[in-house]
Amino acid sequence: EAGVVQSPRYKIIEKKQPVAFWCNPISGHNTLYWYRQNLGQGPELLIRYENEEAVDDSQLPKDRFSAERLKGVDSTLKIQPAELGDSAVYLCASSRTGGVTEAFFGQGTRLTVV
Amino acid sequence: GQQLNQSPQSMFIQEGEDVSMNCTSSSIFNTWLWYKQEPGEGPVLLIALYKAGELTSNGRLTAQFGITRKDSFLNISASIPSDVGIYFCAGQSNSGNTPLVFGKGTRLSVIA
Repeated sequence: EAGVVQSPRYKIIEKKQPVAFWCNPISGHNTLYWYRQNLGQGPELLIRYENEEAVDDSQLPKDRFSAERLKGVDSTLKIQPAELGDSAVYLCASSRTGGVTEAFFGQGTRLTVV
Repeated sequence: GQQLNQSPQSMFIQEGEDVSMNCTSSSIFNTWLWYKQEPGEGPVLLIALYKAGELTSNGRLTAQFGITRKDSFLNISASIPSDVGIYFCAGQSNSGNTPLVFGKGTRLSVIA
């Protein structure tokens, strides 16, 4: 069974530029999560999807961050414009349903904003 | 918001030693998970706990769900160099309705 796939693995951009991350969850997993992990910290949830519906986006900075999960499978997370403080690892995870807690993570995208 | 306190923050041990780390919360959780993260990788699920008092093993790893439902610990027996990494606890208060909350991790170094 293929795991959660994320791309790109690394991204370096200048501040004020846009950036997008892509995630393909494990087949059959209806729940998809985007987490942000700052250096030396644990992952923090940005948004959670149940199929194509965003059911928890309370921690997503909506002035510059947006996400979508069209067709309830893969998902993209966008930042526009990026700020220096957005430098972090962006992790995507998936689980079977919202009632099943065991989330499986992708390798993450390391974003550096210069 | 909910916070998890993990301790210790880091530890250095000799190969072959046993390791113990724990996680505490100010609120009750229904689920505890333990993950391991290696450099440049995403967290990998090690053990999932769903019942207070539950003791679960995965090879040399053993984790317990505290009776008070506010804590959990992870033990690693007979450590080996490949155990190096950051171990995160994560908890969920209401299955399916609340997000996983992660601790800040315990960084484990194993000296051969």
